[in-house]
Amino acid sequence: EDQVTQSPEALRLQEGESSSLNCSYTVSGLRGLFWYRQDPGKGPEFLFTLYSAGEEKEKERLKATLTKKESFLHITAPKPEDSATYLCAVQAGNTPLVFGKGTRLSVIA
Amino acid sequence: ETGVTQTPRHLVMGMTNKKSLKCEQHLGHNAMYWYKQSAKKPLELMFVYNFKEQTENNSVPSRFSPECPNSSHLFLHLHTLQPEDSALYLCASATGFMSETQYFGPGTRLLVL
Repeated sequence: EDQVTQSPEALRLQEGESSSLNCSYTVSGLRGLFWYRQDPGKGPEFLFTLYSAGEEKEKERLKATLTKKESFLHITAPKPEDSATYLCAVQAGNTPLVFGKGTRLSVIA
Repeated sequence: ETGVTQTPRHLVMGMTNKKSLKCEQHLGHNAMYWYKQSAKKPLELMFVYNFKEQTENNSVPSRFSPECPNSSHLFLHLHTLQPEDSALYLCASATGFMSETQYFGPGTRLLVL
């Protein structure tokens, strides 16, 4: 069974304190790994898609990387507005997306 | 309107009520999805429609009944729900069935009393 595990469950950072969120997965035939951001009471907002090991993508203070077993979402010098829940999802073969439980990030000024 | 919209944003209903959730996408996509999001749980896929045809039904109880009249509109009809059905219900759309990026609506927060 496909599995997606995100860690930590919650992370509290000071403004400017860089860190990384982890998404480990066990799937056969990965087609894509997706990162979403979700603010309280809102739907997930698409951030990145990664397709193959070694691929990296960046957007402002966020950088996503992918290996054969996991993905990291690096947050450089975070600001309070980066506070949100970050969701990871994988797609394998012709199966629907499988989501992790998310990491709840709080950035304190 | 742009993107994916959902109405109502909040809904409170009794266990004997019948209500419907509506989703509309303005992205020209062909696939639409219903997800359930409960606290401390991953998003749970409920239904998938591709070109108005249902392609996935993830063992969802019959008290949830989807309807997709065209590629832009998706409904979720609710009847005789249980308190454990209280959750955020999210609609999403994508270019095609099982294609990559899904775009989500803001969700409907449902409370069943």
